Amino acid sequence: RKEVEQDPGPFNVPEGATVAFNCTYSNSASQSFFWYRQDCRKEPKLLMSVYSSGNEDGRFTAQLNRASQYISLLIRDSKLSDSATYLCVVNQRAGSYQLTFGKGTKLSVIP
Amino acid sequence: EAGVVQSPRYKIIEKKQPVAFWCNPISGHNTLYWYLQNLGQGPELLIRYENEEAVDDSQLPKDRFSAERLKGVDSTLKIQPAELGDSAVYLCASSLGGVAEAFFGQGTRLTVV
Repeated sequence: RKEVEQDPGPFNVPEGATVAFNCTYSNSASQSFFWYRQDCRKEPKLLMSVYSSGNEDGRFTAQLNRASQYISLLIRDSKLSDSATYLCVVNQRAGSYQLTFGKGTKLSVIP
Repeated sequence: EAGVVQSPRYKIIEKKQPVAFWCNPISGHNTLYWYLQNLGQGPELLIRYENEEAVDDSQLPKDRFSAERLKGVDSTLKIQPAELGDSAVYLCASSLGGVAEAFFGQGTRLTVV
């Protein structure tokens, strides 16, 4: 089983749609969780951290379910500029802590 | 504030040649990561430093790859000799600690021909 699993997509959605990405992780000792965004041929950039209580930043909402080892990202009112690959990242203890990335979910927002 | 700086941005070499990548992390960040990213995949950890100590290098192919972080600031990653399969983007990232979010440099795109 992969340590961090994501649906690779692609997700093709119209502008204004709501889209949700899911991610599961295998290490129950994981300490911190993030969503990163990566544009084509660019480096990953932090989108938001994910907290147990859930957190929201504008049109973006992240949720964490520790019991199910599951993380989600919800994007409301999708914009063309949201088109990118979204990477689920888990900071888990494997000896020492390390950031482990999922393969990413590709989103294309269509006019 | 300056971000993570990597050089070169692009490198094309012939197989069996050596190559080196350089990274300058964000000032004050004691944790430094080197990742490898292939097309369509997420970044995969090669090595992680806490200050000058390599605390996780289990994924580093030690027969041809080496890294150093002298003085706990800048880091270099070397491949010798390079193979065709080493063609990828090599990303450097830094963070304030092991559980904190990491910030990435622009990466070095390596092509081995």
